[in-house]
Amino acid sequence: GNSVTQMEGPVTLSEEAFLTINCTYTATGYPSLFWYVQYPGEGLQLLLKATKADDKGSNKGFEATYRKETTSFHLEKGSVQVSDSAVYFCALPPPNSGYALNFGKGTSLLVTP
Amino acid sequence: ETGVTQSPTHLIKTRGQQVTLRCSSQSGHNTVSWYQQALGQGPQFIFQYYREEENGRGNFPPRFSGLQFPNYSSELNVNALELDDSALYLCASSQSRTGNTEAFFGQGTRLTVV
Repeated sequence: GNSVTQMEGPVTLSEEAFLTINCTYTATGYPSLFWYVQYPGEGLQLLLKATKADDKGSNKGFEATYRKETTSFHLEKGSVQVSDSAVYFCALPPPNSGYALNFGKGTSLLVTP
Repeated sequence: ETGVTQSPTHLIKTRGQQVTLRCSSQSGHNTVSWYQQALGQGPQFIFQYYREEENGRGNFPPRFSGLQFPNYSSELNVNALELDDSALYLCASSQSRTGNTEAFFGQGTRLTVV
């Protein structure tokens, strides 16, 4: 089935540092790819998505490009803030655009002042 | 528009008991999915309801069951609770039953089984 593999955390960065969180996927066809974020004590929020190869999703300064050649969907941000501290999940639906989502294990990010 | 709301926010149960968790979907959404998130892990899909019918199920035993009501709100029931059922239970609603549609999550119910 479709699955994602995320880099292990935790990731600790100083404010204004550059962020990359790696995500690679295994998929049948070309499903949509998602990044969700979970702030402490809260549910998940959609951060960005890309629906086809070479698409770039972006939101709140975060970006991720759907790379078919490398089967990757890495999350990047040029300058992180303390408020970006959260857990980030890469996700995709099961084969045949099936219901629900398969999530990675999550990458915890801590940004220090 | 109101978002996805879940109740209760926290719950403590004893092994062997039964529990019911509730979810109100976002206005206009006819699909509700339930996930279990163990500590330090990503959410695992339990099942999905679309227009009051179960539309798909993950790798969870039959003691995990659910309902969806005509207003598209939903319940998750777990019978014969086990210690490993301790987790954050997340409900997500969406406008479509396909996984390519954005899902909106509630804040979750933290279940502790002792």
